[in-house]
Amino acid sequence: AQSVTQLDSQVPVFEEAPVELRCNYSSSVSVYLFWYVQYPNQGLQLLLKYLSGSTLVKSINGFEAEFNKSQTSFHLRKPSVHISDTAEYFCAVSDNTGNQFYFGTGTSLTVIP
Amino acid sequence: NAGVTQTPKFQVLKTGQSMTLQCAQDMNHNSMYWYRQDPGMGLRLIYYSASEGTTDKGEVPNGYNVSRLNKREFSLRLESAAPSQTSVYFCASSRNPGQGGYEQYFGPGTRLTVT
Repeated sequence: AQSVTQLDSQVPVFEEAPVELRCNYSSSVSVYLFWYVQYPNQGLQLLLKYLSGSTLVKSINGFEAEFNKSQTSFHLRKPSVHISDTAEYFCAVSDNTGNQFYFGTGTSLTVIP
Repeated sequence: NAGVTQTPKFQVLKTGQSMTLQCAQDMNHNSMYWYRQDPGMGLRLIYYSASEGTTDKGEVPNGYNVSRLNKREFSLRLESAAPSQTSVYFCASSRNPGQGGYEQYFGPGTRLTVT
């Protein structure tokens, strides 16, 4: 079975500063990795995903994440955050059947003006 | 496309009452899922349906039943609601269960309070 650990439940950061949201997973099989974002009172939206190939994946709004197999990590980074990035971020993993996703407990990112 | 829709958006129940949460998707996805979201616990899978006609238990199925009515619709039923089922419920869908890596698309959620 897989599991996902998000090490930080809350991350406050000043506007235009860099941020890293940490995610570690455990699995005995090949996995696919995802980051989702949830804005207040909304459902989850896919931010980016790693399936195979290049270990660095990017989103259209400036976030990126790097798959590190040896450290079983998939940390999310952004070099300069905006107020609009304030949201809850969830890391998730699925195995190659795709039948079940396992979500982390979430990291609440608050961008301070 | 509406994507994944859920009804109702909000619901208040008394302990012991029953209700059904409805979910529909218009993306021709094979797989559908029901999650609950509780503070500090992330999302936990209740039930999923890998294809029309099949359903399987997830991490927290007790107290719930599901029906995959057709390819579009997947409902979640609480037969006798309990305060512990107070939560936000999300429905999701994805393309193909046999080929992992297809992301899930989420509905807007149903906020359920059981008093």
